Amino acid sequence: GIQVEQSPPDLILQEGANSTLRCNFSDSVNNLQWFHQNPWGQLINLFYIPSGTKQNGRLSATTVATERYSLLYISSSQTTDSGVYFCAVEGVIDYKLSFGAGTTVTVRA
Amino acid sequence: ETGVTQTPRHLVMGMTNKKSLKCEQHLGHNAMYWYKQSAKKPLELMFVYSLEERVENNSVPSRFSPECPNSSHLFLHLHTLQPEDSALYLCASSQDLRATEAFFGQGTRLTVV
Repeated sequence: GIQVEQSPPDLILQEGANSTLRCNFSDSVNNLQWFHQNPWGQLINLFYIPSGTKQNGRLSATTVATERYSLLYISSSQTTDSGVYFCAVEGVIDYKLSFGAGTTVTVRA
Repeated sequence: ETGVTQTPRHLVMGMTNKKSLKCEQHLGHNAMYWYKQSAKKPLELMFVYSLEERVENNSVPSRFSPECPNSSHLFLHLHTLQPEDSALYLCASSQDLRATEAFFGQGTRLTVV
């Protein structure tokens, strides 16, 4: 199946800082999603972005499908941004969503 | 408010118990999924249903038994579980099986004692 690698595994930020999370994948994809898992376990949809660039408030994401990576940008981070960020991809052959191991973000006040 | 609702949110069960997890989606989607999230591991896909038919059973032990009575509801029946089955169980739905956005429920945190 398709392999998904996220980096860095852990990220500690001071409130107000900017950061970039990366997701590399091993094959062509039909679908790529970014999620934020809150402390209670729920996966919150951030972006559905198989290609291109999208922005939502302080968050933005870019997927370069031809080079098999996606980036999630967090600007002016807040303590509520803390949690685990997951990238998930669906290969063109395999319809299943494969998840990366996640990036754990801690934003300190 | 999420379009995918899971109950219960927390469950503690003994190894000889039988319990069921419930998932309901209000999004009009055709595909529903069960995932397992264990500590320090990526999410693992367990079961996939499309139009109420099971299309995937990812080598899951028979002590986990899914049921999809209609396109809005998905159950996971549990019996004679082991302590290593303790995990967060997440339900998801998407419009179709391919190339559509998936939405997740809040999860059921299961502890087997």
